[in-house]
Amino acid sequence: QKEVEQNSGPLSVPEGAIASLNCTYSDRVSQSFFWYRQYSGKSPELIMSIYSNGDKEDGRFTAQLNKASQYVSLLIRDSQPSDSATYLCAVIPANAGGTSYGKLTFGQGTILTVHP
Amino acid sequence: EAGVAQSPRYKIIEKRQSVAFWCNPISGHATLYWYQQILGQGPKLLIQFQNNGVVDDSQLPKDRFSAERLKGVDSTLKIQPAKLEDSAVYLCASSFGGGLQETQYFGPGTRLLVL
Repeated sequence: QKEVEQNSGPLSVPEGAIASLNCTYSDRVSQSFFWYRQYSGKSPELIMSIYSNGDKEDGRFTAQLNKASQYVSLLIRDSQPSDSATYLCAVIPANAGGTSYGKLTFGQGTILTVHP
Repeated sequence: EAGVAQSPRYKIIEKRQSVAFWCNPISGHATLYWYQQILGQGPKLLIQFQNNGVVDDSQLPKDRFSAERLKGVDSTLKIQPAKLEDSAVYLCASSFGGGLQETQYFGPGTRLLVL
């Protein structure tokens, strides 16, 4: 089982719709969860981070975390063509000692296309 | 604030040749990361430095890859000899302290093609 898995894409939504991106992780004691956006040919850019169960909203973006189900998602409301990119889910797992040094483990990414 | 700088941006070499990449992190950032991103995959951590010490290099192919961070600032990543499967984007990232809730800022990456 991969440490971080994302729903297979590509995902295509019409402009103005809600895009839903999903991610599951295998390390039950993971504590930090991130969503990065990566435009084609560019480097990843952090758009959301979440550390506790529940929802976290920032503008058109909402991250949802359910540690019991080992599931994290990203909702993009009112999707725009400029949101077309690859979305990477990343997790900081805990090492054997129960601490972590910020080591990010990424999923494979989901390609999102927002068409006019 | 200047971002993470990397050079070169592109490199084409033949297999069995050597290559080196350079990274300058954001000023004041103690933690520096090197990631490898193969086309269609997420980045994979190769090595993590805290100041000039190695924190994690568990996924670094040490028979051919080496990295150093002299004086706790700039870093270089070297591949010698290169293989075809090393073709990827090499991303450098930095963060202030490397903690659980710190943002990692990525540089533009170096695209390596091994022929």
